[in-house]
Amino acid sequence: EIVLTQSPATLSLSPGETATLSCRASQTVSSYLAWYQQKPGQAPRLLIYAASNRATGVPVRFSGRGSGTDFSLTINSLEPEDFAVYYCHQRANWPSTFGQGTRVEIK
Amino acid sequence: TLKESGPTLVRPTQTLTLTCTFSGFSLTTNGLGVAWIRQPPGKALEWLALIYGNDDKRYTPSLQSRLSITKDTSKDQVVLILTNVHPVDTATYYCAYVDDYSDSLEKNWFDPWGQGTLVTVSS
Repeated sequence: EIVLTQSPATLSLSPGETATLSCRASQTVSSYLAWYQQKPGQAPRLLIYAASNRATGVPVRFSGRGSGTDFSLTINSLEPEDFAVYYCHQRANWPSTFGQGTRVEIK
Repeated sequence: TLKESGPTLVRPTQTLTLTCTFSGFSLTTNGLGVAWIRQPPGKALEWLALIYGNDDKRYTPSLQSRLSITKDTSKDQVVLILTNVHPVDTATYYCAYVDDYSDSLEKNWFDPWGQGTLVTVSS
């Protein structure tokens, strides 16, 4: 099973700042990695797929990069609605797995 | 769209049956699938199972002996069964759509998701 390790666990930032989240896979997942955003009481929402592609309707301030085992999600100029928990997710191998999440909170 | 339904409270050692009712697609096409994912309160997401239109099924190994996923195409439903539940199975259970045969890479990921249903396992 591929383990996804996200860091940091919590990121405390102010609106307007830039958030950089990391996801490291225990073995290569090529580009079969996605990022989801989850707000309290809501289902996760697909943000980035295939490592670097924004999902439909996702603002351009969200960007993803990486391949193999190291990936990152960057949120430029944080908006109030961006404070949430972010999960990375791999579908390179069965079983599909998720990271433990990074919480982006208001400083 | 997808919507989960099932009991909110289950006793330990009982069997949990959850239903995902969907619309907007037919689960008879190869490559189309419905996945189940759960999330214990305050914890991370865990993928459980996936069923495709050709009835191919996948399970997470750690729970495979307790899980069963089936589909009823006449009702546009997918059913997840988890046997011998315990308090650690307390979670919000989500179903989600995936299309692994789509030319659009975006559809190869779990999206959209249902709203989720909270299941508590307690005596």
